[in-house]
Amino acid sequence: ILNVEQSPQSLHVQEGDSTNFTCSFPSSNFYALHWYRWETAKSPEALFVMTLNGDEKKKGRISATLNTKEGYSYLYIKGSQPEDSATYLCAFSSSNTGKLIFGQGTTLQVKP
Amino acid sequence: GAVVSQHPSRVICKSGTSVKIECRSLDFQATTMFWYRQFPKQSLMLMATSNEGSKATYEQGVEKDKFLINHASLTLSTLTVTSAHPEDSSFYICSASDGTYSNQPQHFGDGTRLSIL
Repeated sequence: ILNVEQSPQSLHVQEGDSTNFTCSFPSSNFYALHWYRWETAKSPEALFVMTLNGDEKKKGRISATLNTKEGYSYLYIKGSQPEDSATYLCAFSSSNTGKLIFGQGTTLQVKP
Repeated sequence: GAVVSQHPSRVICKSGTSVKIECRSLDFQATTMFWYRQFPKQSLMLMATSNEGSKATYEQGVEKDKFLINHASLTLSTLTVTSAHPEDSSFYICSASDGTYSNQPQHFGDGTRLSIL
């Protein structure tokens, strides 16, 4: 059974703090790793799709790294803002079928 | 761009009722649509993958006669929960992609909260 683990489950930070969370996935049969941001009462929004070991992607203050050999990805948020408050989901794919296995998410709360 | 609309957002109905949930891609052609279910404090679980014009592929443990999926056009897929029972109460969400490739992001609807009394 393929398992995707995210940690921590939840996180509370002050505005301006930088933070990071982890997604662990099987290191064998890797095809792609997705990150999504899911704000309350909205739909999940794609942040990154990563496919290559050592890949680093950046979107504004958010960046992600990928280590497929050891099976983990980090998501970093620099200078957190209240609008960054959301649940961040990662999802792993072991084949090019579009099928994703999601982690349970990390819920971030940024206090003004 | 890449907007997916899902309706209804919430359904409350009696046990034994069949419920239809629609998932529409508004500004792109969705070759593939995915249906997920999320129980409280659990992750999104893929139920089935549907490709336009062909039968859906169901994940292990998902009853295809219980969860009927139709993907008749490139912009619409429907999930019908037939003869719903309280254990079917869950959050159902669809996503769409313009290809069946894992290196492409999926575009999600807002989800449907289904409550069976």
